[in-house]
Amino acid sequence: DTGVSQDPRHKITKRGQNVTFRCDPISEHNRLYWYRQTLGQGPEFLTYFQNEAQLEKSRLLSDRFSAERPKGSFSTLEIQRTEQGDSAMYLCASSPGQSPLYETQYFGPGTRLLVL
Amino acid sequence: GQQLNQSPQSMFIQEGEDVSMNCTSSSIFNTWLWYKQDPGEGPVLLIALYKAGELTSNGRLTAQFGITRKDSFLNISASIPSDVGIYFCAGQLRETGTASKLTFGTGTRLQVTL
Repeated sequence: DTGVSQDPRHKITKRGQNVTFRCDPISEHNRLYWYRQTLGQGPEFLTYFQNEAQLEKSRLLSDRFSAERPKGSFSTLEIQRTEQGDSAMYLCASSPGQSPLYETQYFGPGTRLLVL
Repeated sequence: GQQLNQSPQSMFIQEGEDVSMNCTSSSIFNTWLWYKQDPGEGPVLLIALYKAGELTSNGRLTAQFGITRKDSFLNISASIPSDVGIYFCAGQLRETGTASKLTFGTGTRLQVTL
């Protein structure tokens, strides 16, 4: 399977715990995006990487959230001191990053987080 | 965050019927995309539109990029049970040197009965 993969698919944690999610983009895709989707809503942009550089962060990304893409391949999204409001589906997407005009984003299956 | 307006919110149709849904924005985009999402899965790209006025087909799906660049339409012809799911529009403002982040609509839930 050469699509975007995410791990874990599901995570249940207690409030106050830290969690980390991983995303593996499509091979050789330079751009990687994180989105958050709450129940009944469309995905909302969180942050974006061009290779290993984090170039944009949404205001939705509070100080408790941190994302990395250390070698320009896989990415991790960490949430510290989780709150019940963090419960959502966290989606990763990647795109080739070769053309500024035609950048189709392909999504992974998501990680569903439930904070008790 | 900003969400685009999609209508209808949900629809029940019979197999074989045609379906239409639309998406509107208060700001312009230079790309419109339509995704389908099944429960517990990520969105899957259906159609991408890159030019105002463009009409593009993918099998039984046809989508149009509104000439004002503030709206888009998706039509599904001769619906079948596997068309069930949530359809999202997404607008994208592609500019050199900036993130091509997607702004999604609120979704249209489609249910098909036999």
